[in-house]
Amino acid sequence: DVKVTQSSRYLVKRTGEKVFLECVQDMDHENMFWYRQDPGLGLRLIYFSYDVKMKEKGDIPEGYSVSREKKERFSLILESASTNQTSMYLCASSTRRGAGELFFGEGSRLTVL
Amino acid sequence: DQQVKQNSPSLSVQEGRISILNCDYTNSMFDYFLWYKKYPAEGPTFLISISSIKDKNEDGRFTVFLNKSAKHLSLHIVPSQPGDSAVYFCAAIWNSGNQFYFGTGTSLTVIP
Repeated sequence: DVKVTQSSRYLVKRTGEKVFLECVQDMDHENMFWYRQDPGLGLRLIYFSYDVKMKEKGDIPEGYSVSREKKERFSLILESASTNQTSMYLCASSTRRGAGELFFGEGSRLTVL
Repeated sequence: DQQVKQNSPSLSVQEGRISILNCDYTNSMFDYFLWYKKYPAEGPTFLISISSIKDKNEDGRFTVFLNKSAKHLSLHIVPSQPGDSAVYFCAAIWNSGNQFYFGTGTSLTVIP
């Protein structure tokens, strides 16, 4: 059974803290993505990576960074968390370009106080 | 600018009836379209897809229709069941691209 695993389902952090969200996929996929989901705004792409050590900005990269040191692992980093980063964060992976399914993890609900 | 749009934030349907969820896109380069279903506190799960070389794809109770000239696709669920109550996202990608573009979602409620 294919799987995208996100390290934490629920996190509560304080403003200014550094936050790490980890994602691991076991499908040998080249592409990995980080989205956030907010009511009325749908899924917005933060960053994606199409290869190890490669990254590209999505639609809303401000306040975030990413790391992809190994093919199966893609980390999202909030250097200094702010309350407007309270959201559901979704990691996903896919194989090759173009037509193909995007596989999602269970999501990480982050609350920044 | 939103390249994939779902203009209906919510939809309510009686159990057993047809649910029709709509999606419009602006980029004519998109050539592959997907529908995802999302329950609260879970990640989206893939439902059905369609390539731009087709105008219809069917999988059990779910059918997706694509009208390329209108840049419009729709998801039909027949018959609707209470377990179908979820948020549905449409997504699009082009064959040489890596990035999926999502709509804002439609929350479907199927009333028993």
